[in-house]
Amino acid sequence: QQQVKQSPQSLIVQKGGISIINCAYENTAFDYFPWYQQFPGKGPALLIAIRPDVSEKKEGRFTISFNKSAKQFSLHIMDSQPGDSATYFCAARMGSGSRLTFGEGTQLTVNP
Amino acid sequence: DAGITQSPRHKVTETGTPVTLRCHQTENHRYMYWYRQDPGHGLRLIHYSYGVKDTDKGEVSDGYSVSRSKTEDFLLTLESATSSQTSVYFCAISGDRRGEQYFGPGTRLTVT
Repeated sequence: QQQVKQSPQSLIVQKGGISIINCAYENTAFDYFPWYQQFPGKGPALLIAIRPDVSEKKEGRFTISFNKSAKQFSLHIMDSQPGDSATYFCAARMGSGSRLTFGEGTQLTVNP
Repeated sequence: DAGITQSPRHKVTETGTPVTLRCHQTENHRYMYWYRQDPGHGLRLIHYSYGVKDTDKGEVSDGYSVSRSKTEDFLLTLESATSSQTSVYFCAISGDRRGEQYFGPGTRLTVT
């Protein structure tokens, strides 16, 4: 019930391609779904987030698609660049204190 | 890193010794969190705090304790370190905008 399942574990994309990372959840009490980006040796940083009353949110080359009935959401990175190479985590908020439950992470490599 | 520092940044310690990690923030945020990050497990919440002297357990709290005597400081203590606690530890903070957490640079702990 508390889990957020993320796939794939790793992803290799060519420069200019589309990167797609998927997450699924079970707990319908989740009400906020952020994505975090982490570069090696750094802490995760908030990238983009969505609430379940919206089916899509776009910020630059990054888009979240949300399917409430399927309890799934995904991150799309358009025109992927080598600088996008990082680990991406999906997450879901539940409970008090803004606790987040994180997915296992996806290591994205964008080849030049 | 949103005014968050962690100390030490690296530590090697022996099994059975106590270890204390410190998180310090300059943002005056109410919520503070300790996570551990391990390959294949993403970020797992150890403990969190929702105010001075107000703390609660996360999903992997066994073997860890925390204290928060001031708004700006959140301490994580491994009472008797074990090899399974070798990990990278991240502190995070959040304010009124729930779900938006800001992470520190991390502490790499090795227990030999």
